[in-house]
Amino acid sequence: EPEVTQTPSHQVTQMGQEVILRCVPISNHLYFYWYRQILGQKVEFLVSFYNNEISEKSEIFDDQFSVERPDGSNFTLKIRSTKLEDSAMYFCASSERAWDTGELFFGEGSRLTVL
Amino acid sequence: GENVEQHPSTLSVQEGDSAVIKCTYSDSASNYFPWYKQELGKGPQLIIDIRSNVGEKKDQRIAVTLNKTAKHFSLHITETQPEDSAVYFCAATLSGAAGNKLTFGGGTRVLVKP
Repeated sequence: EPEVTQTPSHQVTQMGQEVILRCVPISNHLYFYWYRQILGQKVEFLVSFYNNEISEKSEIFDDQFSVERPDGSNFTLKIRSTKLEDSAMYFCASSERAWDTGELFFGEGSRLTVL
Repeated sequence: GENVEQHPSTLSVQEGDSAVIKCTYSDSASNYFPWYKQELGKGPQLIIDIRSNVGEKKDQRIAVTLNKTAKHFSLHITETQPEDSAVYFCAATLSGAAGNKLTFGGGTRVLVKP
């Protein structure tokens, strides 16, 4: 069964460092997303991406965050200068379509720990 | 924006009993309500969803009901089994809006005791 894969599964970084989280969405999907979950809190929407541009972003997704689809398979989330409060589980998701609310398929997550 | 509240936060049931999880949402425009199951170390997985033109939907032991007037929806699991133990999330969104942005509830940790 096709699945969304994420790397790394866990990353520990120092405050102020840049981090790139990688995702390989399901191959025929066109819509890509990043969500995050701070320990003990709700899963929160960060950004959606379609046709090589951001469709929507939340207020969390400030200038420190960026997303990119550098090739035909990868979808990355970059945090330029990490803060302690960026420590969370980051989930990538993809869907075949958005206008009819196609099912979102989530990856297993990348746990980011900022020290 | 949308806000989704979910109750209870934890639920312990005996194997074979039913489990019910309730969610309320704030934005009357929301029209798509999925439920996700998250097992330890894995990402959320869709188990059932309902759209606002339907009041109830069932899939084997799982059912979801939606009350648009009261803006709440519920997940019902019957004949619970140990493998139903997981964290369950409800979510809401406006289908057709660019971005397919889901707003999640806080999650319910379900423990099915054998």
